[in-house]
Amino acid sequence: GAGVSQSPSNKVTEKGKDVELRCDPISGHTALYWYRQSLGQGLEFLIYFQGNSAPDKSGLPSDRFSAERTGGSVSTLTIQRTQQEDSAVYLCASRPRLGGSYNEQFFGPGTRLTVL
Amino acid sequence: TQLLEQSPQFLSIQEGENLTVYCNSSSVFSSLQWYRQEPGEGPVLLVTVVTGGEVKKLKRLTFQFGDARKDSSLHITAAQPGDTGLYLCAGAGGTSYGKLTFGQGTILTVHP
Repeated sequence: GAGVSQSPSNKVTEKGKDVELRCDPISGHTALYWYRQSLGQGLEFLIYFQGNSAPDKSGLPSDRFSAERTGGSVSTLTIQRTQQEDSAVYLCASRPRLGGSYNEQFFGPGTRLTVL
Repeated sequence: TQLLEQSPQFLSIQEGENLTVYCNSSSVFSSLQWYRQEPGEGPVLLVTVVTGGEVKKLKRLTFQFGDARKDSSLHITAAQPGDTGLYLCAGAGGTSYGKLTFGQGTILTVHP
């Protein structure tokens, strides 16, 4: 199908290592979001890209976290010097342009990150 | 900061029972969405409510948006094991333009 895809599905890393998580949004969707979810909990907003505008980074928990979106499509979330508290499921979502969908978001299956 | 308080956090019931999940805020939202998430998957949108007082039905699920657009409820009639999952409410609009404010989620387990 043409849904949101994320890779890898699972990532196990050692404390202190850097990791990169990838998101491929639905083609044509202008907005892309990253969230973090701890086991069975709600979603913690991390960062939001809308078209060519500067991203909203207000949810990033520390300067170890960064994200970029190349060509208005694929996005990469990078966590440097990972800590055990970074262990969580990282979800990506995309949305059609504002004005037509009440911010309805379409989610990928997530990347489960485990930091040992 | 906009907050959505979702309750209960956990719900464990027998097949055939009814249940209600609540989502409350002191903030006004332009719309409110309900998502359902199964293990190993991302949340999937169930419904969006937009108008104060609006009621939407999706088979055995009934969603209501409060008159003041600050709260919402999800009622499931005659729950089935297939309803098991994490239910999330999310508010759009207000001071968080372009973003959703999520509740903490309700983990529903329906036992056969």
